[in-house]
Amino acid sequence: GAGVSQSPRYKVAKRGQDVALRCDPISGHVSLFWYQQALGQGPEFLTYFQNEAQLDKSGLPSDRFFAERPEGSVSTLKIQRTQQEDSAVYLCASSLGASGGVSSYNEQFFGPGTRLTVL
Amino acid sequence: SQKIEQNSEALNIQEGKTATLTCNYTNYSPAYLQWYRQDPGRGPVFLLLIRENEKEKRKERLKVTFDTTLKQSLFHITASQPADSATYLCALDPSGGYNKLIFGAGTRLAVHP
Repeated sequence: GAGVSQSPRYKVAKRGQDVALRCDPISGHVSLFWYQQALGQGPEFLTYFQNEAQLDKSGLPSDRFFAERPEGSVSTLKIQRTQQEDSAVYLCASSLGASGGVSSYNEQFFGPGTRLTVL
Repeated sequence: SQKIEQNSEALNIQEGKTATLTCNYTNYSPAYLQWYRQDPGRGPVFLLLIRENEKEKRKERLKVTFDTTLKQSLFHITASQPADSATYLCALDPSGGYNKLIFGAGTRLAVHP
């Protein structure tokens, strides 16, 4: 079956350009997460959606980062005026349910990521 | 500060041996801890979850332990194979809420024939 897909897989941007990264979650998955992974590091949480509602954006590093999921399925992460420090792999993950915690853990399924290089 | 630590150096072992990876955390009291596998150019893949009231969890050749007193989890791969070579990440949800995960940096495992 289809997993989480992300596009583009690779993106090269000149410093100052705006970029848009797309995530297609697994159909029917309520929760969607964006993570940023620097080279040699683990993924770092950016933001979380439950359906179309952005419930947590505490990990977004600056107001240049913006994410949306207008119809509760596809999500877009937009980075304005890219900087070299934005170079990283951006991972999207989705999970079936909305609630969390011990009794109702929902496995996160990750996409392959978009590797962003800012020159 | 809150953090998760994993062995930063790569672990090299011979095929057939048991690989043991360590995950230590500070200033968290997670209700559960998870282990993921990540191959180059791919996203992490969920392997196992262990709850705070579970001392040990097994899945095929994988075994995870969770010591909430030591704030440590150990991840074992028995009868290792070259196909087990990958980076292994531990992760926890500090809030016990909607599964917002905090990851360690990962340990790279190389299994040699």
